[in-house]
Amino acid sequence: TQLLEQSPQFLSIQEGENLTVYCNSSSVFSSLQWYRQEPGEGPVLLVTVVTGGEVKKLKRLTFQFGDARKDSSLHITAAQPGDTGLYLCAGVQSTGNQFYFGTGTSLTVIP
Amino acid sequence: GAGVSQSPSNKVTEKGKDVELRCDPISGHTALYWYRQSLGQGLEFLIYFQGNSAPDKSGLPSDRFSAERTGGSVSTLTIQRTQQEDSAVYLCASRSRTPGEQFFGPGTRLTVL
Repeated sequence: TQLLEQSPQFLSIQEGENLTVYCNSSSVFSSLQWYRQEPGEGPVLLVTVVTGGEVKKLKRLTFQFGDARKDSSLHITAAQPGDTGLYLCAGVQSTGNQFYFGTGTSLTVIP
Repeated sequence: GAGVSQSPSNKVTEKGKDVELRCDPISGHTALYWYRQSLGQGLEFLIYFQGNSAPDKSGLPSDRFSAERTGGSVSTLTIQRTQQEDSAVYLCASRSRTPGEQFFGPGTRLTVL
């Protein structure tokens, strides 16, 4: 059972464009994390959001946690080739320590 | 070391053979996770260790898979009688007690011929 669904699965855009990646679930999470993974490497944590409605910014990346803590979005402004990678969301439920990972969004930014 | 390390980085084996994958977590991290990742996909949880507590094995796909963590540090994931569908990247992560962020190793790419 996949608790977290990401969309789109694949995204190819031109440098300078904006994009949004969605992470959706019918389950409530106590916190949600976003990771970026490059080929041949493990995922690297970008941000953790814990409060419903929370918005966090990391340079050109904006992360939002849904009010009901069931969904999240990642918005990238003026994408650059260095943003290319696999973006993964992961949620933790209050009942345990297991991280549930999303299906992943593969982003390619074309120079 | 400063980060999570895994060995080997690549493993090619024949169907039916056993393999052992090793993970060295960040020193002092009490929690350790194993995940499996198919090409370009999300991570599939396998097993979780927390201190001296009994591990959460709920993600292991079959009884051919097992893992242990010795002395609360190094962990070994063992796959017996490997099958072609076991081919994937196996990732290990460790986590400090708070604030709950996971730090991943580079993974072991397993190919079963």
